[in-house]
Amino acid sequence: SQKIEQNSEALNIQEGKTATLTCNYTNYSPAYLQWYRQDPGRGPVFLLLIRENEKEKRKERLKVTFDTTLKQSLFHITASQPADSATYLCALDMGNTGFQKLVFGTGTRLLVSP
Amino acid sequence: KAGVTQTPRYLIKTRGQQVTLSCSPISGHRSVSWYQQTPGQGLQFLFEYFSETQRNKGNFPGRFSGRQFSNSRSEMNVSTLELGDSALYLCASRLEGAADTQYFGPGTRLTVL
Repeated sequence: SQKIEQNSEALNIQEGKTATLTCNYTNYSPAYLQWYRQDPGRGPVFLLLIRENEKEKRKERLKVTFDTTLKQSLFHITASQPADSATYLCALDMGNTGFQKLVFGTGTRLLVSP
Repeated sequence: KAGVTQTPRYLIKTRGQQVTLSCSPISGHRSVSWYQQTPGQGLQFLFEYFSETQRNKGNFPGRFSGRQFSNSRSEMNVSTLELGDSALYLCASRLEGAADTQYFGPGTRLTVL
């Protein structure tokens, strides 16, 4: 069955450093992968989407890479700030009927210390 | 544009009862998906509705059902509640398109006692 794994433990880094989060998947070849941010008590917020034919995508301080051979995506936050502290989720579309069916990883909690 | 709204925000029920949750999508969005989020299982897909038709379904028992109205608003119903149904229920809407972004609501926190 499909499986999406993210760093299960919280990632603690200091302000100004680069945070790198990992998303690994098995038994599937998604056309694209999405990253979301979720704050406590709130719904996830979309950050970035990267397609299978794209190696890298950037948005401001965020960068996502997608290696379909390794079945892995890396999510980077450069010059991290305490306000970046949140849980980050990756998601793959595993719909096999032509319609979207997003499957999410369990998320990685990021804590940025001042 | 107003975001996705969900009502109620918090709900406490007892085992065996049933519950109905409501979701209003962003104006113009015809696709509505429902998710269950728990600390142990994470965010799990329940089902998706488009133009009043369910077109995708996750691996949940038949106690979980939903519907969508002609104005794209959606409701989710859980019958014969179990303790394990305690969770944050999230609704998300999107424009039609294979990779369109999901816009999530704030969720309904359901506690089953």
